[in-house]
Amino acid sequence: AQSVSQHNHHVILSEAASLELGCNYSYGGTVNLFWYVQYPGQHLQLLLKYFSGDPLVKGIKGFEAEFIKSKFSFNLRKPSVQWSDTAEYFCAVIDYSSASKIIFGSGTRLSIRP
Amino acid sequence: DAGVTQSPTHLIKTRGQQVTLRCSPISGHKSVSWYQQVLGQGPQFIFQYYEKEERGRGNFPDRFSARQFPNYSSELNVNALLLGDSALYLCASSSDSYGYTFGSGTRLTVV
Repeated sequence: AQSVSQHNHHVILSEAASLELGCNYSYGGTVNLFWYVQYPGQHLQLLLKYFSGDPLVKGIKGFEAEFIKSKFSFNLRKPSVQWSDTAEYFCAVIDYSSASKIIFGSGTRLSIRP
Repeated sequence: DAGVTQSPTHLIKTRGQQVTLRCSPISGHKSVSWYQQVLGQGPQFIFQYYEKEERGRGNFPDRFSARQFPNYSSELNVNALLLGDSALYLCASSSDSYGYTFGSGTRLTVV
């Protein structure tokens, strides 16, 4: 079965700093990948998704992610973070081995210093 | 266009009790999935239903059960509640495998 690893548990940045959050999935073949964001007290929101095509995916709020098949990675980036980006970020993959369930990473908490 | 709606939003139960959580998917979505999110962790898959049939089950005990109704809404039932069942329970609906929309969740506290 698929699994997802997020190596950064808590990242602290100053406003305007660049962001990169790491995400690795466990095995290859066809993969469908997501980044979700959960703002404090709010529900999960989809930032971006990759299914096929251009490995550089652009999402909402200035976020982007790059799918690198050879590295089993799907890192999230943003060139200049804002205080409002403070949230929990989850990388996820669809596991088709049984049902089309989403497998989430453990999440990365992002704190932005104003 | 209404999103995925879950009820109740918050719930406090005593150990040993039973609880029923409800989910209404986006109109036209035939698939509903349930996830448990314990504080500080990513959501864990519990169940998936499609057209009223169970399509998948995660690694949860038999105390957890669910069903989907003809209007595609769904209920998650948890019997004999334990303190460890305290979590945010999320429902997601989908029209296919490519897009999942999550509800705001039900925050269950077991005391």
